[in-house]
Amino acid sequence: GENVEQHPSTLSVQEGDSAVIKCTYSDSASNYFPWYKQELGKRPQLIIDIRSNVGEKKDQRIAVTLNKTAKHFSLHITETQPEDSAVYFCAVNKLSFGAGTTVTVRA
Amino acid sequence: EAQVTQNPRYLITVTGKKLTVTCSQNMNHEYMSWYRQDPGLGLRQIYYSMNVEVTDKGDVPEGYKVSRKEKRNFPLILESPSPNQTSLYFCASSLGGDVSSPLHFGNGTRLTVT
Repeated sequence: GENVEQHPSTLSVQEGDSAVIKCTYSDSASNYFPWYKQELGKRPQLIIDIRSNVGEKKDQRIAVTLNKTAKHFSLHITETQPEDSAVYFCAVNKLSFGAGTTVTVRA
Repeated sequence: EAQVTQNPRYLITVTGKKLTVTCSQNMNHEYMSWYRQDPGLGLRQIYYSMNVEVTDKGDVPEGYKVSRKEKRNFPLILESPSPNQTSLYFCASSLGGDVSSPLHFGNGTRLTVT
């Protein structure tokens, strides 16, 4: 499968601050970039996705940006809340996932 | 309720004893797949199926088998489990076989092989 690198592996932020997670990929033909959130002991669930014909997509406090030239995409969470604490996975198409970022929001 | 159902949720077995993890979806999805989740490695695809009787290997297929005789079911079979197959397994499905359909995951099966 495709090589997907995700950084950072852990992220601790103060409640109300922003969190940014970045993923890079290798295949320039890739065209679908979802993000999944996995709360402790639960299944991954899609929170936002972006397709290659769009540079940015926003849904309330979360947004995803895509730079196809540089082959990277990022998840932005603004005004973080304790319920944002989870593991976040980026993916490329349906086949390849990043290693995950554990986000902890400190109250 | 639309869902992907995996069974069992927890399974402890011994090396070499064949086991099957079942996966069923009620959304009439064409695409189904299996992943294993290990610390620091994210989700790695084991096998996937684009439709009935169509299956293909993912990134880590060694030691696993699958079948897709019906659209709703996609069981994962470990013919001779080994300790390195101890992991958290997720089944997932999506509406279409194209790469841009979002995945719906089951609740996971935690397998321990001693």
